[in-house]
Amino acid sequence: DTGVSQDPRHKITKRGQNVTFRCDPISEHNRLYWYRQTLGQGPEFLTYFQNEAQLEKSRLLSDRFSAERPKGSFSTLEIQRTEQGDSAMYLCASSFSRGGGDQPQHFGDGTRLSIL
Amino acid sequence: GEDVEQSLFLSVREGDSSVINCTYTDSSSTYLYWYKQEPGAGLQLLTYIFSNMDMKQDQRLTVLLNKKDKHLSLRIADTQTGDSAIYFCAETRYSSASKIIFGSGTRLSIRP
Repeated sequence: DTGVSQDPRHKITKRGQNVTFRCDPISEHNRLYWYRQTLGQGPEFLTYFQNEAQLEKSRLLSDRFSAERPKGSFSTLEIQRTEQGDSAMYLCASSFSRGGGDQPQHFGDGTRLSIL
Repeated sequence: GEDVEQSLFLSVREGDSSVINCTYTDSSSTYLYWYKQEPGAGLQLLTYIFSNMDMKQDQRLTVLLNKKDKHLSLRIADTQTGDSAIYFCAETRYSSASKIIFGSGTRLSIRP
């Protein structure tokens, strides 16, 4: 079990640029989640996938944000036309779900995004 | 999140017990969690409890759940310097079992 892996760990970019983050979940996990954490706050849910299907999106996920999980394994989160308010830690988590039972979510170390 | 509340800071002496408290508002909570976050790192799942349980113990960690008062606590016995971190209380609900709702975290500091 190598854990949830996120890349890059840090991203610094200018306002208006596009950025893409990658998450590799724990291999047997069929669910993958994205959260955003701002300084001094707990993480806030953005979206989640079961296999390749995106099943829920938060109102926080504006139309500048898009997430994909094309083969039901790794996922990417893209932010277009970045704004100052996008500066945050973006956390990925994964879990195994079978039927109605969910296992706890395990988190990666996050990607810290800084917008200049 | 305003639905899960925790105190912001706790300071304890090394070797003493730490008790971190949390209150939540939604009676449909299914699981309640404690996560630990060290500087610059992601969240580490410490322990979790199903909503029909009252207590769970795991080595130095004891979780107590009072469903009537919607109160959750985490007790860390024999607190060590390595326990310094931010501790997040969190819940999932029947209405949306997929997402975790987090509190703002309690920063635990250990003094010698």
